[in-house]
Amino acid sequence: DAMVIQNPRYQVTQFGKPVTLSCSQTLNHNVMYWYQQKSSQAPKLLFHYYDKDFNNEADTPDNFQSRRPNTSFCFLDIRSPGLGDAAMYLCATSGDSSNEKLFFGSGTQLSVL
Amino acid sequence: QKEVEQDPGPLSVPEGAIVSLNCTYSNSAFQYFMWYRQYSRKGPELLMYTYSSGNKEDGRFTAQVDKSSKYISLFIRDSQPSDSATYLCAMFISDSWGKLQFGAGTQVVVTP
Repeated sequence: DAMVIQNPRYQVTQFGKPVTLSCSQTLNHNVMYWYQQKSSQAPKLLFHYYDKDFNNEADTPDNFQSRRPNTSFCFLDIRSPGLGDAAMYLCATSGDSSNEKLFFGSGTQLSVL
Repeated sequence: QKEVEQDPGPLSVPEGAIVSLNCTYSNSAFQYFMWYRQYSRKGPELLMYTYSSGNKEDGRFTAQVDKSSKYISLFIRDSQPSDSATYLCAMFISDSWGKLQFGAGTQVVVTP
């Protein structure tokens, strides 16, 4: 019944080694988001897609990139992970209206060694 | 000053008690208010979504919004050990496309 699915649940990478996190959704929502959540902190929006239209937050580091090949899938690429990038990465989706509620996946916990 | 303030807890209550959670905010432009529940190492799960001032009930959960005081609350009646989680309030301005402003979350522990 999972509607927003993130893989893997846990990812370990080395300092500077590129890593890709994936998200898929069965809700057929047009909008997909990536959030970063560090321990005991609020989630922070990195960017979002409305269909294929990419919208980057002003304070999202260039080290973070995203791809959305189709409606169902979205990827988060971290080009050169640093120790400070260790966090939970959350994918979310919402419907067409900008005021729709967001539905989150279970997240990928990223560790950087 | 943070835009959204939420007591981090932990808040410990006995099973069956009422859990009362609060958030205050400073930006009067916020129009949509949500409460999410987040279990350890899981993503946030939407519990309540409200727009107007007043109360909204859903089962054991009641969300309350007071826009004049910039204050929102979540009440959980007949609390269960399975309610033990972190509760995040979130809000956004109309047309801000998923740019939720979250509180830092309150950890709730319901003891049997």
